[in-house]
Amino acid sequence: GEDVEQSLFLSVREGDSSVINCTYTDSSSTYLYWYKQEPGAGLQLLTYIFSNMDMKQDQRLTVLLNKKDKHLSLRIADTQTGDSAIYFCAESTGGSQGNLIFGKGTKLSVKP
Amino acid sequence: GAVVSQHPSWVICKSGTSVKIECRSLDFQATTMFWYRQFPKQSLMLMATSNEGSKATYEQGVEKDKFLINHASLTLSTLTVTSAHPEDSSFYICSARGPQAGGPYEQYFGPGTRLTVT
Repeated sequence: GEDVEQSLFLSVREGDSSVINCTYTDSSSTYLYWYKQEPGAGLQLLTYIFSNMDMKQDQRLTVLLNKKDKHLSLRIADTQTGDSAIYFCAESTGGSQGNLIFGKGTKLSVKP
Repeated sequence: GAVVSQHPSWVICKSGTSVKIECRSLDFQATTMFWYRQFPKQSLMLMATSNEGSKATYEQGVEKDKFLINHASLTLSTLTVTSAHPEDSSFYICSARGPQAGGPYEQYFGPGTRLTVT
């Protein structure tokens, strides 16, 4: 079945770059997403990438997709303490029936 | 834009009672709404998908008679946990998507509802 894997924890210093990695198994995934969840809150859509793209950049966020290896990464440049949160990778086959399959989330801790 | 609200944000109920959670899309018409359950330090588990005016489609293992979902309008879906038990205590999150909010490719999530059953 479909599966999305992420490492559970990442700790970085303020000002450094953070790289959060994700692997997925469904080769028919058409969209891959990154969501951010702060404590006690819902999920905030950060960015997403279509499967025919290799890279997408949006301000401090860079998403890299290696479709051959089914590997997705999120790079946060100049990480700030406000970036501390859980980051979820998700995949979807898109369309009206496409549901999101989430990874377990990576808890990012940013140390001052 | 693309704001989804949930009410209540936190509810405590006694075992055996029912509790209703509302999910609203505030600035777009949600043709599809999703209900997720999240256990502590775990990922989101999709419970059901509902299209406006249709019966919800439940994921395997989710009891449809226990978790009643209604999506009667394009801006409102409700989840009713019937005869709640302590094991139903969890964080319930809804999401919505629609043609005015990124189409089928973007889901927007509510802030979640913390349910505690005593």
